[in-house]
Amino acid sequence: DVKVTQSSRYLVKRTGEKVFLECVQDMDHENMFWYRQDPGLGLRLIYFSYDVKMKEKGDIPEGYSVSREKKERFSLILESASTNQTSMYLCASRQTVVLNTGELFFGEGSRLTVL
Amino acid sequence: AQRVTQPEKLLSVFKGAPVELKCNYSYSGSPELFWYVQYSRQRLQLLLRHISRESIKGFTADLNKGETSFHLKKPFAQEEDSAMYYCALSAYGNKLVFGAGTILRVKS
Repeated sequence: DVKVTQSSRYLVKRTGEKVFLECVQDMDHENMFWYRQDPGLGLRLIYFSYDVKMKEKGDIPEGYSVSREKKERFSLILESASTNQTSMYLCASRQTVVLNTGELFFGEGSRLTVL
Repeated sequence: AQRVTQPEKLLSVFKGAPVELKCNYSYSGSPELFWYVQYSRQRLQLLLRHISRESIKGFTADLNKGETSFHLKKPFAQEEDSAMYYCALSAYGNKLVFGAGTILRVKS
């Protein structure tokens, strides 16, 4: 069973704080993703990584950065948290599949509240 | 630009009634479409993909390129089908673009 683990289920931070969200997967997947999930907006891609030390911006990268120093770990960083970053954050991983798009495996999510 | 539209935020049906969750997409390439589901207090997971052409938990979805649709259907809803359903499109670079989601409530 693929396991994607997000280290924090619930966080409460203050405006301006630096926030780290950690994600680890145990199936040697090359691809990893960070989404935010908001009611009425669905899942929006923040950043993704096709392999170690590679990263690409998704649809809403502003205010976020990422780090992928090891294959199993993909970190999302909020340099200076703001109230509009209050959301549920979902990490996902995927094996590279040549002929089609592989299945995404999701973590349980990290609910971040910025006061 | 690629886009996925799920027009219903909430769909409420009685147990045993047919279910159809609508999904329309906009994409200039050859689409690859998926349905993901999130049950209460569980993580988001793949339900089915159009290339598999299979029925999962009684659900089916047919890709209609003419109508650019990928509606999810089940002939007889069960209470355990209550969940949030997301339609997703694989776009350039194999990125998944998700719709806004539809909450399905099956009433007894």
